[in-house]
Amino acid sequence: AQTVTQSQPEMSVQEAETVTLSCTYDTSENNYYLFWYKQPPSRQMILVIRQEAYKQQNATENRFSVNFQKAAKSFSLKISDSQLGDTAMYFCAFLANAGGTSYGKLTFGQGTILTVHP
Amino acid sequence: DAMVIQNPRYQVTQFGKPVTLSCSQTLNHNVMYWYQQKSSQAPKLLFHYYDKDFNNEADTPDNFQSRRPNTSFCFLDIRSPGLGDAAMYLCATSWDRGGEQYFGPGTRLTVT
Repeated sequence: AQTVTQSQPEMSVQEAETVTLSCTYDTSENNYYLFWYKQPPSRQMILVIRQEAYKQQNATENRFSVNFQKAAKSFSLKISDSQLGDTAMYFCAFLANAGGTSYGKLTFGQGTILTVHP
Repeated sequence: DAMVIQNPRYQVTQFGKPVTLSCSQTLNHNVMYWYQQKSSQAPKLLFHYYDKDFNNEADTPDNFQSRRPNTSFCFLDIRSPGLGDAAMYLCATSWDRGGEQYFGPGTRLTVT
């Protein structure tokens, strides 16, 4: 079974600054995806970024980038030029993409509440 | 735009009164999921359908049932809601089990 740990329950950042959210995971799988999802207050959960485990290159989506360290089982999210609209709960999630009992089941971390201050 | 739609967005039901939540999708995805999310917690998977194949999580109470009459629609039935079932219920879809999941806006269930 997989576990995902987000050790920062809450983070805050000033508008336009950079913030990094931490995530570690534990798995014996070789083929998997990692995701960061964003859930604004009372709003829809949306996919921010994804990383395939077999890719060494870190994923980037505009202001969002990850630092994927496979050996260390670490998957942090960096948000550059933070905006007020980035205020949300952020979930790190693991997905095994090969067969087995965990196939297709997202394992979420506990979440990190990020507040962007003006 | 292709999307995942949940109705209603807010549902109030009485203790013990059956309730049905609805999810539809225009993504033509094969897999549909139901999650329960309580305040400030991560979503908890209740069950999922891969096409017509139903997969229940071992710790999902028998009080929760699901139906998928066709590719586009999936329903969550709570047969006898208790106060502890008050939560946000999220529907998600993916093309395949190993693919990223797209979430609907959720239905917030209140039990009085």
